[in-house]
Amino acid sequence: EVQLVESGGGLVQPGGSLRLSCAASGFTFSSYWMNWVRQAPGKGLEWVAKIKQDGSEKYYVDSAKGRFTISRDNAKNSLYLQMNSLRAEDTAVYYCASTSLYAFDIWGQGTMVTVSS
Amino acid sequence: EIVLTQSPGTLSLSPGERATLSCRASQSVSSSYLAWYQQKPGQAPRLLIYGASSRATGIPDRFSGSGSGTDFTLTISRLEPEDFAVYYCQQYGSFGQGTRLEIK
Repeated sequence: EVQLVESGGGLVQPGGSLRLSCAASGFTFSSYWMNWVRQAPGKGLEWVAKIKQDGSEKYYVDSAKGRFTISRDNAKNSLYLQMNSLRAEDTAVYYCASTSLYAFDIWGQGTMVTVSS
Repeated sequence: EIVLTQSPGTLSLSPGERATLSCRASQSVSSSYLAWYQQKPGQAPRLLIYGASSRATGIPDRFSGSGSGTDFTLTISRLEPEDFAVYYCQQYGSFGQGTRLEIK
């Protein structure tokens, strides 16, 4: 079964850090660009970051630049998002998603990140 | 940065009716890069349409996509109860704000 499973979310204080993980199975993880997409409570979808198959290219939404780092380990079929200097506005469900034919074709179930004191 | 604007914000229809959802881009985009997603409460988004008009695997043929340039449309030919959800268009790193399709 093709699957993405996120983990690592939770409650963190403003200024704190969190590392999200996404475990892939059922497809050739190393062949796909991978993404993080988030959704604040009651709001729409926002793309956060993406990484090339071999990790050589990484791109971020402006609000994440300098604070978030996307990475991957193809040997472990895993995607990561290191989030530092977290703000209240980073509170959201974070989804990992693969890219195929310029669309996000496989999505995980999401992990909730809450930034609050 | 391309901005995608979806209309209407909310669409109220009855099962069996036809739904037409619009997505307008702030500048011309390649049809290859335009996708549509469905999201139900508490669930992750699901890819419906990619390349503006190609249905993703397992998507019923009552869903169709069309358009080019700056104007794109998602059509649901005959609404089923399970189709009432929020729909998003997307191009690269930009998502529209969503259209909520609700039961009338």
